[in-house]
Parts: sequence; structure tokens; C-alpha cells
Amino acid sequence: NAGVTQTPKFRVLKTGQSMTLLCAQDMNHEYMYWYRQDPGMGLRLIHYSVGEGTTAKGEVPDGYNVSRLKKQNFLLGLESAAPSQTSVYFCASSYMGGGVTQYFGPGTRLTVL
Amino acid sequence: GENVEQHPSTLSVQEGDSAVIKCTYSDSASNYFPWYKQELGKRPQLIIDIRSNVGEKKDQRIAVTLNKTAKHFSLHITETQPEDSAVYFCAASDQTGANNLFFGTGTRLTVIP
Repeated sequence: NAGVTQTPKFRVLKTGQSMTLLCAQDMNHEYMYWYRQDPGMGLRLIHYSVGEGTTAKGEVPDGYNVSRLKKQNFLLGLESAAPSQTSVYFCASSYMGGGVTQYFGPGTRLTVL
Repeated sequence: GENVEQHPSTLSVQEGDSAVIKCTYSDSASNYFPWYKQELGKRPQLIIDIRSNVGEKKDQRIAVTLNKTAKHFSLHITETQPEDSAVYFCAASDQTGANNLFFGTGTRLTVIP
């Protein structure tokens, strides 16, 4: 089992460019999450999904969109990148919500110039 | 939503000493409190968790205590070793929607050999 994987590992964008981050899990988990991690601010939830075809906003959703067309994949999109979106992005999954372990991917380091 | 505060932000201890990290939360309905360890450049990984019907839980050198009345919980690491050096995050589950996790801002623990 690969667990949770993320593509790409690193990316540099210019302001205004767009990109999509891919998260994949092979644990048949229902719930998937996208977090951003900034120095001194911990992990903040961007969007999440409670099952295939569903998405919902988290704590800091502005400037991001997501899609969950297949149960094993959760995509995070930046339509027009801004320097404030420079961060490390982590995807996570769990078999259900609340009170269970979330398994994290290795992260994507994104720099927006 | 839930608000989680974590202290201290940095902690240095001598090898073999104990380390204590404290967190407070705001939502009295929260019922799940995990702790994650993140080594430099790696993904967060669950090390221990506790639910609101339990006051204390131990796993070898690691223990977590929960005081529901005061709305705080703590991580205790005994007989610290250099490999315990990492950033530790506490979290609490929100009781609305999907029971998402809200994370503290992290504690950087350094164990000095």
C-alpha cells in the first residue's frame, strides 16, 4: 500500500498562473482533506470531502477549488495563484469523519513569485 | 469553529528528561483529541489520541491527559531521546458538520544529547 500520495512534490508558479495538486489514496477512505501549513500557524483546513462527488469548504477556502470525481482522488486547484498562497500543502484521508486517524500525504511545497 | 491554543512554541530538554506540551480548546462539545508528530521535511503522523470519555492514555513513553472541565489536554513524553526531536501538533475535533480537526500552532521540541 502506498497510503496517501501527492503530486507534485515541489512547484514554483508566477502570480496569476494556475495549477492543480493531485492527492491519491489507496486505503478506500471515504473522507479526504486539503490543508495548508504555514510557519507558526499549524495546519489549516482548506476544503474537504466526505465521499465521492462531494466537497465542502474548510477554514481557509478562498482562492482554491476542489473536485472529488473518483473516491481515491482529491484535486486542489489554484485558478490564479497569489504570493499569499505560498505554503506547504498536505492532503489527508480517513475512513470516516471525527474521532479517527487522518493519514497524511508527503506534502507539496508551492512557491508563488 | 473550534479554536485550539498550544504552548510552548519551542521547548528544549536534556536527553532523559521529561517534556510537557499543553493545549486548550474552545468548544466544550469536542470529543476527540489527537497528537501528531512532524519531523523536519516529513508528513505529520499520529502518535497518540484520546477521547472525551477518558482522562488519561499511555503508550510506552508517551501519555496524554484530558481535563474536560478546564478544556485542556497535555502531551507528556518521558525519558526523552534525540529521535523525539520534532514539531508536535495537538488537535481537537469540531462537533459541526464532518467533525473536522482544528490544529494548534505546534511545538518544536529539541532533545539535547
